[in-house]
Amino acid sequence: QSALTQPRSVSGSPGQSVTISCTGTNSNIGDYDYVSWYQQHPGNAPKAVIYDVTKRPPGVPDRFSGSKSGNTASLTISGLQAEDEANYYCCSYAGRYSSFGGGTKLTVL
Amino acid sequence: QVQLVQSGSELKKPGASVNVSCKASGYTFTAYAINWVRQAPGQGLEWMGWINTNTGKSTYAPGLTGRFVFSVDTSVSTAFLQISSLQAEDTAVYYCAKDVQYDTIRYWNYWGQGTLVTVSS
Repeated sequence: QSALTQPRSVSGSPGQSVTISCTGTNSNIGDYDYVSWYQQHPGNAPKAVIYDVTKRPPGVPDRFSGSKSGNTASLTISGLQAEDEANYYCCSYAGRYSSFGGGTKLTVL
Repeated sequence: QVQLVQSGSELKKPGASVNVSCKASGYTFTAYAINWVRQAPGQGLEWMGWINTNTGKSTYAPGLTGRFVFSVDTSVSTAFLQISSLQAEDTAVYYCAKDVQYDTIRYWNYWGQGTLVTVSS
């Protein structure tokens, strides 16, 4: 059982926006601003799309944005494109450790 | 360019040991930590821990048994994951990932291609 809770699946049509939530506790998301999000296409290694709650690594489109409120972090993808269909994992620092959410499958309809 | 190249797939019998390597290039190896992440078939990502490549000190995820050991050989810019007394539930893809800092966990900007370890009799 993951320390961080994500919805199993979300979906949206091309051009729409979707938001994926990630709920933690006061010991992880609520206490640190080191929340990151990773995109993983089947058969590939994960790729960071958001770090430090709101920052985008070089090369990641500005359609990807992150936020946090209390113990919950969110990833929003606007202007959905077919290539955004993938699994998304949140990750939070928690003192000496880190932990992932269970993952959310994004389907682009 | 930064690259992490992992060793190839392994098929092992229960009780055996395996050593997964992660060779780094394109950056100063000792300037950034290496983390290890595993993914069982059809499952999500699981953070296993990290190693400070400068000091060699490892931190393991709570619940990860002593069967897992991280190490580095700075002379060849390579990190290693050794798993002993392999069990069927160790079957997974194991990833190494480079952090953006050397002394803590922040986020991982480069990943290895993954190494599939299959444990079967």
